[in-house]
Amino acid sequence: AQSVSQHNHHVILSEAASLELGCNYSYGGTVNLFWYVQYPGQHLQLLLKYFSGDPLVKGIKGFEAEFIKSKFSFNLRKPSVQWSDTAEYFCAVRRNYGGATNKLIFGTGTLLAVQP
Amino acid sequence: NAGVMQNPRHLVRRRGQEARLRCSPMKGHSHVYWYRQLPEEGLKFMVYLQKENIIDESGMPKERFSAEFPKEGPSILRIQQVVRGDSAAYFCASGLANTGELFFGEGSRLTVL
Repeated sequence: AQSVSQHNHHVILSEAASLELGCNYSYGGTVNLFWYVQYPGQHLQLLLKYFSGDPLVKGIKGFEAEFIKSKFSFNLRKPSVQWSDTAEYFCAVRRNYGGATNKLIFGTGTLLAVQP
Repeated sequence: NAGVMQNPRHLVRRRGQEARLRCSPMKGHSHVYWYRQLPEEGLKFMVYLQKENIIDESGMPKERFSAEFPKEGPSILRIQQVVRGDSAAYFCASGLANTGELFFGEGSRLTVL
């Protein structure tokens, strides 16, 4: 079955700590990859996306992600987190082939709490 | 982004009643997606629609759930004879064809008593 796995369900960090959230997917072929963030009480917002090209993608607010095709992974990183990064983070995958319907498949999310 | 508008934001229904959730996509977007988010779970795809067409409903429960996106007006997700298990946040997203990126609304939170 198609799946997107986020291994860390809850992460607690202190401010200035480094962050890495894991994301793995189980599809072969070409994929588009996304990280979305949901701040408390708000809608999902796009952090960054990968379609093709440089596998190291820079996003908003200092986030980046690296696509490693051989590992089917798209891990999210930030060198130094802030209290305002407290949110839920979702990895999503879109299969990119002729029959795809453009839908995104989401992981279960990672709740990040940053302690001041 | 405040472009995708969902209403109501909160809806309370008793078991057996009907729930109707509405979604107006961002201006210029003709593709609408509905997702459901249950506690401790991620977003589960329900249905993908274009104007007057259901493109992919592989995530929709077989009974009681239906969706439409008419030529005029918002997309509607309709849940008939609601049960407690339908309590969830329902998110609508819109996008342009083949870009993959989706823009989300703030969600409609359904509570079934």
